[in-house]
Amino acid sequence: AQSVTQLDSHVSVSEGTPVLLRCNYSSSYSPSLFWYVQHPNKGLQLLLKYTSAATLVKGINGFEAEFKKSETSFHLTKPSAHMSDAAEYFCVVSSGGYQKVTFGTGTKLQVIP
Amino acid sequence: GAVVSQHPSWVICKSGTSVKIECRSLDFQATTMFWYRQFPKQSLMLMATSNEGSKATYEQGVEKDKFLINHASLTLSTLTVTSAHPEDSSFYICSAKISTGTYEQYFGPGTRLTVT
Repeated sequence: AQSVTQLDSHVSVSEGTPVLLRCNYSSSYSPSLFWYVQHPNKGLQLLLKYTSAATLVKGINGFEAEFKKSETSFHLTKPSAHMSDAAEYFCVVSSGGYQKVTFGTGTKLQVIP
Repeated sequence: GAVVSQHPSWVICKSGTSVKIECRSLDFQATTMFWYRQFPKQSLMLMATSNEGSKATYEQGVEKDKFLINHASLTLSTLTVTSAHPEDSSFYICSAKISTGTYEQYFGPGTRLTVT
């Protein structure tokens, strides 16, 4: 069984300040973890993925995430928010040879000018 | 690489008609494709898993006779919404899994269906 919890449904930051989007997962096996971004009325874009290699993963557009097994977390961060980062972000888990992925409920990021 | 396309990107149809949505993997072979539905301001819900050459596996609560899925080749899966009703209006997204390698799925851009 697997699940993912995004702790904040809505995060608001000022432009130029750091971004932290929280994600905790549960899995009976070693998980693969992903962060996707979805802009309004658009499809999903992969930001980054963790698949048992380095625990600190760097993605596109300056985002990165750290896999912490002891905390079962995979939080997404960015040092400085940009207006174009305003979107919905989904944390996703897949594990155990199980083809299906499980989506978190999403976090809407608002960037204030 | 690993691009997935969907067609159409936006469709409006009348109640009672059927609509077909195509999902194609453009530069890789995908033995498995997935269909998701996303309601406004909500997360993606898996509808079914489509394996090339075999019947799709539907999630609990999804009507297989209403949402017909065909995976005729390694690069194409189709979702047909039969006898559409306004409550079927939604954003439908497909994804494809590369035949070998990681669990990563590549997502299409989505199709917005509006039933009037």
